[in-house]
Amino acid sequence: SQTIHQWPATLVQPVGSPLSLECTVEGTSNPNLYWYRQAAGRGLQLLFYSVGIGQISSEVPQNLSASRPQDRQFILSSKKLLLSDSGFYLCAYRDRGRTEAFFGQGTRLTVV
Amino acid sequence: GENVEQHPSTLSVQEGDSAVIKCTYSDSASNYFPWYKQELGKRPQLIIDIRSNVGEKKDQRIAVTLNKTAKHFSLHITETQPEDSAVYFCAASNNAGNMLTFGGGTRLMVKP
Repeated sequence: SQTIHQWPATLVQPVGSPLSLECTVEGTSNPNLYWYRQAAGRGLQLLFYSVGIGQISSEVPQNLSASRPQDRQFILSSKKLLLSDSGFYLCAYRDRGRTEAFFGQGTRLTVV
Repeated sequence: GENVEQHPSTLSVQEGDSAVIKCTYSDSASNYFPWYKQELGKRPQLIIDIRSNVGEKKDQRIAVTLNKTAKHFSLHITETQPEDSAVYFCAASNNAGNMLTFGGGTRLMVKP
């Protein structure tokens, strides 16, 4: 069966510190992968998506970057966090030729 | 790129009443429109979807309608129950399937 893992579930980081959130998918090959951010009381903002290893598309200019070093691994990073980076980060995947997107459990990031 | 607008941002109804959430999209190439439900602190999950070759789809108490000409689609929940309380997101995607753009979300509160 297919599953998606995202960690950590919660994270408190000081301003200026680096960030690395990891997402892995099991039970599928060559999925489309996504990172979304959900600010408090707001919608799901698409940050990055990837259609293959090393292929990253960015939707909004920001303090974050993404990488896909392996087929089923998607990493969200920052060199120096800002207060405005706080939010709920969700990783998602879609199988090729399928429409439904499946989300990870999310990471609640608080930058202090 | 695609832009999805969702209204209202909050909706309060009495148990047993109907709830309607509306979305508009900008990209005429979009042909797949899912709706996700996100309960408090949990990941979004697909509840119903519709493709552009269909005008309406129903699944028990929930239904979705699509007007391609006007580029809008709606979610209808009948006989609402307290467990319907959640944040609902509409989304739009095109044939390439790489992008999945979400609306801003609607917080539905069903009062017992």
